[in-house]
Amino acid sequence: GAGVSQSPRYKVTKRGQDVTLRCDPISSHATLYWYQQALGQGPEFLTYFNYEAQPDKSGLPSDRFSAERPEGSISTLTIQRTEQRDSAMYRCASSLGNSGRAGDTQYFGPGTRLTVL
Amino acid sequence: AQTVTQSQPEMSVQEAETVTLSCTYDTSESDYYLFWYKQPPSRQMILVIRQEAYKQQNATENRFSVNFQKAAKSFSLKISDSQLGDAAMYFCAYRIVNYQLIWGAGTKLIIKP
Repeated sequence: GAGVSQSPRYKVTKRGQDVTLRCDPISSHATLYWYQQALGQGPEFLTYFNYEAQPDKSGLPSDRFSAERPEGSISTLTIQRTEQRDSAMYRCASSLGNSGRAGDTQYFGPGTRLTVL
Repeated sequence: AQTVTQSQPEMSVQEAETVTLSCTYDTSESDYYLFWYKQPPSRQMILVIRQEAYKQQNATENRFSVNFQKAAKSFSLKISDSQLGDAAMYFCAYRIVNYQLIWGAGTKLIIKP
């Protein structure tokens, strides 16, 4: 696609419900990242994928958070038993390289704004 | 620990003038990259400019340029001829080869017409 897309753009859910967020990266981009951005702050790294492999989950706040990229393209981020503190913008980004090159530019999607009531 | 600090929560500048946003970082690495991203009211995240740490020459992209001081671990962004469309949150970010971008807290730039 022309850019990174994410859906839904907005999600309101009740505490305790599960939510799944979707990211569609730029086609041919090997690496996909998930970030969490609280209002008024910079993004915080959650996890990333190199194709379908997930080498780093260190940023996931708890075991309620999980991510998948089963075919190496589209990815989903699932939050189980949501809590109010999970309310944030969830951003997906993708980059072309698959070798961990620090200089690869990350292209960001528009984000999903999650509100947990 | 690797950190990125943006000490100016908010800056304002008159349209057509020049403004400099500051960023400092803390790292023990010698090879890394630095980025400035812009987040307009639409909350999209747009790359403005990037700098390779091994390059001494400061990066420039049209009206945007950086002042990279490696010894001082400083990476400021200069916007010349400010335009109304430059109004946004600006985030400084740092990256080594383990993929993660480490972000500052952001600076809100206001352009006065």
